[in-house]
Amino acid sequence: DTAVSQTPKYLVTQMGNDKSIKCEQNLGHDTMYWYKQDSKKFLKIMFSYNNKELIINETVPNRFSPKSPDKAHLNLHINSLELGDSAVYFCASSPRNGNIQYFGAGTRLSVL
Amino acid sequence: AQSVTQPDIHITVSEGASLELRCNYSYGATPYLFWYVQSPGQGLQLLLKYFSGDTLVQGIKGFEAEFKRSQSSFNLRKPSVHWSDAAEYFCAVAISYNTDKLIFGTGTRLQVFP
Repeated sequence: DTAVSQTPKYLVTQMGNDKSIKCEQNLGHDTMYWYKQDSKKFLKIMFSYNNKELIINETVPNRFSPKSPDKAHLNLHINSLELGDSAVYFCASSPRNGNIQYFGAGTRLSVL
Repeated sequence: AQSVTQPDIHITVSEGASLELRCNYSYGATPYLFWYVQSPGQGLQLLLKYFSGDTLVQGIKGFEAEFKRSQSSFNLRKPSVHWSDAAEYFCAVAISYNTDKLIFGTGTRLQVFP
């Protein structure tokens, strides 16, 4: 069973569209994250949620809205997609009082 | 602000050769240090971590890393590289045990020739 799973794996869309990426973890972790990896492979945290509560918001445009319906899920919704949003988005999770983050396989978003 | 530097963007080695990937961090106190590996099309997998104690840590797949406070470094090593080690390697730092934020270096791409 995949510990942290993201869907879809690939997403190709037009500028201006709205899209969502889903993430689920079956590790029983309390904290979940979204990272963005740009074309130069640089990884930067976007958000983290602890037990459905927003903990970190790293000055991400408000077109990006994370939603955590329960502590096993953290979805990322993106409005009005722009060319610069093209990247690989990684979901991760970690246990409470622990610092090891487990990553999903990533979602490659291409905005045309 | 905390930062992580991986000076080598791309390294090429022959299979069976030894490997050292460099990582330097910027932080006033002792950080929590990690190495992750990303195989093509895959997510990141934790290779090893340093929280405290012995400064030489062992990880998976035969990798080890040494924390050197005086040099603010956490270099990753492997005595004999296998073709399957070809991947992107990321060093990361967290400033406290319970912090939610990992700060990553820009990665080093490892290419292995037979």
